[in-house]
Amino acid sequence: GAVVSQHPSWVICKSGTSVKIECRSLDFQATTMFWYRQFPKQSLMLMATSNEGSKATYEQGVEKDKFLINHASLTLSTLTVTSAHPEDSSFYICSARDPTSVATGELFFGEGSRLTVL
Amino acid sequence: AQKVTQAQTEISVVEKEDVTLDCVYETRDTTYYLFWYKQPPSGELVFLIRRNSFDEQNEISGRYSWNFQKSTSSFNFTITASQVVDSAVYFCALSEAGYGGSQGNLIFGKGTKLSVKP
Repeated sequence: GAVVSQHPSWVICKSGTSVKIECRSLDFQATTMFWYRQFPKQSLMLMATSNEGSKATYEQGVEKDKFLINHASLTLSTLTVTSAHPEDSSFYICSARDPTSVATGELFFGEGSRLTVL
Repeated sequence: AQKVTQAQTEISVVEKEDVTLDCVYETRDTTYYLFWYKQPPSGELVFLIRRNSFDEQNEISGRYSWNFQKSTSSFNFTITASQVVDSAVYFCALSEAGYGGSQGNLIFGKGTKLSVKP
């Protein structure tokens, strides 16, 4: 099946710094990618939808200026957590939709990136 | 509005017991997709099954089986003869069919943590 890769898997940063997480589709071109956030022992919540070549669509309550999403190519979307604070510590997971599977609704998930802000 | 409810927060069983994880969903769409994912402690999401709304046939895959009942909006998951390696958090998810925008992203239930003890 399709493969989606995230990097880094783990990141620890100091409060106030910015962190970039990459999401790559390895064997297909993803016109749409999704970014989810999962707090400890919680479910996955959609943060934003990233569309190649256009601005991301953010879910209600997600600060677009804090969580910058760039989807500059068909195989790469990046999430930058700006001026990170301890409350941003979470597990961030991306998913990508293979255009050939749009009708089926199947999404392929990355391995996730665990962010810890000290 | 779409919603997925997994009423069981945690389940603990002894190895070789059968266990059923419940999932109830809400949607106004006539075409939709239902998923089950497994999330082991390492965090990655492991795809288990996808079922479209027009296919109510039950499915069996090894020790796993799924019961889709449209009449009760349920998509329950049964593990037969559970094993310690089945210990994980299991998520049920719903996806609308469609193209573009936020259509096609997954709406997750809160997950059920399954602990299988030897």
